[in-house]
Amino acid sequence: EVQLLESGGGLVQPGGSLRLSCAASGFIFSSFAMSWVRQAPGKGLEWVSGISGTDGNTYYAESVKGRFTISRDNSKNTLYLQMNSLIAEDTAVFYCAKHRSGIAASGANYWGQGTLVTVSS
Amino acid sequence: DIQMTQSPSSLSASVGDRVTITCRASQGISNYLAWYQQKPGKVPKLLIYGASTLQSGVPSRFSGSGSGTDFTLTISSLQPEDVATYYCQKYNSAPHTFGGGTKVEIK
Repeated sequence: EVQLLESGGGLVQPGGSLRLSCAASGFIFSSFAMSWVRQAPGKGLEWVSGISGTDGNTYYAESVKGRFTISRDNSKNTLYLQMNSLIAEDTAVFYCAKHRSGIAASGANYWGQGTLVTVSS
Repeated sequence: DIQMTQSPSSLSASVGDRVTITCRASQGISNYLAWYQQKPGKVPKLLIYGASTLQSGVPSRFSGSGSGTDFTLTISSLQPEDVATYYCQKYNSAPHTFGGGTKVEIK
């Protein structure tokens, strides 16, 4: 059974940093692309970043480019999102999602339960 | 970047009704389109990928169609458990933009 467990969310001041983690199990982690998707309170889904499983290429939404870094540790079956220079607009539930294949152009078929990030002074 | 526009933003229909949601891409994306269902307070769930392929375990009353710029999600006979917000997402290339969502309610 595929399981994705996010952690690392919390309250942070504007300008601060957080690192989110997503522990994966139930599938061969290194073989699949992964993404982070966020949802601000009461709002829709926003794709944030993705990383392929085949070559480790990374992709970012314009709204986070230069501030967020996605990475993966295949030895630990863990996906990360390093978030720097956080602003109030980054307040959201962040979901980790597994893609259907190793390439990013494959869509996500499993989602974690999410971790809440609140940026506020 | 390619924009994804969903319509309507909300709808109310009776149990048993046929419901259609539209998603339009500002440029062609072939069939690199997914549909997700998000029930209140829950995690999004994949319904359809490749514009028309039903994800395993999803009821057959859900179907998707389209290619290029215009896509449709159809619920052939609306059920009470289908109350949710539905999102389309393009994934041909980054950014993997979502549509704004369509909230489906029971009349």
